[in-house]
Amino acid sequence: EAGVVQSPRYKIIEKKQPVAFWCNPISGHNTLYWYLQNLGQGPELLIRYENEEAVDDSQLPKDRFSAERLKGVDSTLKIQPAELGDSAVYLCASSFYTDTQYFGPGTRLTVL
Amino acid sequence: QQQVKQSPQSLIVQKGGISIINCAYENTAFDYFPWYQQFPGKGPALLIAIRPDVSEKKEGRFTISFNKSAKQFSLHIMDSQPGDSATYFCAAETSGSRLTFGEGTQLTVNP
Repeated sequence: EAGVVQSPRYKIIEKKQPVAFWCNPISGHNTLYWYLQNLGQGPELLIRYENEEAVDDSQLPKDRFSAERLKGVDSTLKIQPAELGDSAVYLCASSFYTDTQYFGPGTRLTVL
Repeated sequence: QQQVKQSPQSLIVQKGGISIINCAYENTAFDYFPWYQQFPGKGPALLIAIRPDVSEKKEGRFTISFNKSAKQFSLHIMDSQPGDSATYFCAAETSGSRLTFGEGTQLTVNP
């Protein structure tokens, strides 16, 4: 069974540029999560989807971050414009309802 | 009140030794306590988890000890192996809510 797929794996951009990350969850998983992981720290939830609905986006900086999950499967997380402090690993995870969360390998973002 | 505090930040153990990582929480509404293992360049992967109705859970070389009154739980890795070298995160969750992670422990097992 394929795991959570994320792309790109690495991204280097100049500050103030836009960037987008893509996630394909495990087949059949209706819940999808985006996490931010700073170096040496645990993941922090940005947004959680149940199917197409964002049910917890209280930690998403909505002035520059946006996310969508069209058709309740794949999801895209966007940052516009990126700031130096956004350099981190962006993790996607999925689960069947609130069962075990399975994480993808993450996208390492470097903002110069 | 949502924090989960983890210690130590790093741990070096000899092959065959016991690795012990501790976590403490404040929110008594937490009802699910998983441990995740993360290798460099990979996402965290569930290792073992416990609910507060039991005081201990063992899976192979990995054991969670849970002390509800002290609001503490710990991971014990018996017969530690070099392949166990990774970062370990404790976490806590209430039903239907977000997973709150600890700060992580970088474990190194020397051969």
